[in-house]
Amino acid sequence: SYVLTQPPSVSVAPGKTARITCGGNNIGSKSVHWYQQKPGQAPVLVIYYDSDRPSGIPERFSGSNSGNTATLTISRVEAGDEADYYCQVWDSSSDHLLVFGGGTKLTVL
Amino acid sequence: QVQLVESGGGLVKPGGSLRLSCAASGFTFSDYYMSWIRQAPGKGLEWVSYISSSGSTIYYADSVKGRFTISRDNAKNSLYLQMNSLRAEDTAVYYCASGGAVAGDPFDYWGQGTLVTVSS
Repeated sequence: SYVLTQPPSVSVAPGKTARITCGGNNIGSKSVHWYQQKPGQAPVLVIYYDSDRPSGIPERFSGSNSGNTATLTISRVEAGDEADYYCQVWDSSSDHLLVFGGGTKLTVL
Repeated sequence: QVQLVESGGGLVKPGGSLRLSCAASGFTFSDYYMSWIRQAPGKGLEWVSYISSSGSTIYYADSVKGRFTISRDNAKNSLYLQMNSLRAEDTAVYYCASGGAVAGDPFDYWGQGTLVTVSS
């Protein structure tokens, strides 16, 4: 089955840039979606199809995908960005159709 | 505005059954794929099942295949998950999520979740 690997945690100071990676075999050939989840809340889509941003999501959130790594980048990090972030792909090559990464806890120092 | 409201969660003994429902509003339910996604306490997201807009195409995660059944009633704007032979490891918050018009689209709307606890 297809596996997505995320670092368990990332820490960043306010105003700096956070980069959260999502590793997978030739993930660059797949479309990656990213979700933000704050404690006690449902996930919220923040980036879809690698780099598109839903309406209402700040421009500070951006995404890229190439080779074996997809990256969610959060610029000018704010305290309110502290959350868990999950990457997700559709793996149409197998029966394991939808795969989530293990999640990354973003801590704003 | 789009709303997804899950119901039907609760405490059930191992081997028992439960039926979850998700009531949708604010969008054309019959045009969208829908999924159930769960999250065990303190753990990450796990996709459970996926159903096409017409209900003709259905997929399950290996962990629930043969035990869970997803269905939908487009006339009632509702999504369901019948869960049988429940195990302790099925304990989780279960979210319904709208998956877009085509397979592979992101989950742009999520419900608030319903907690299922499997314990004796």
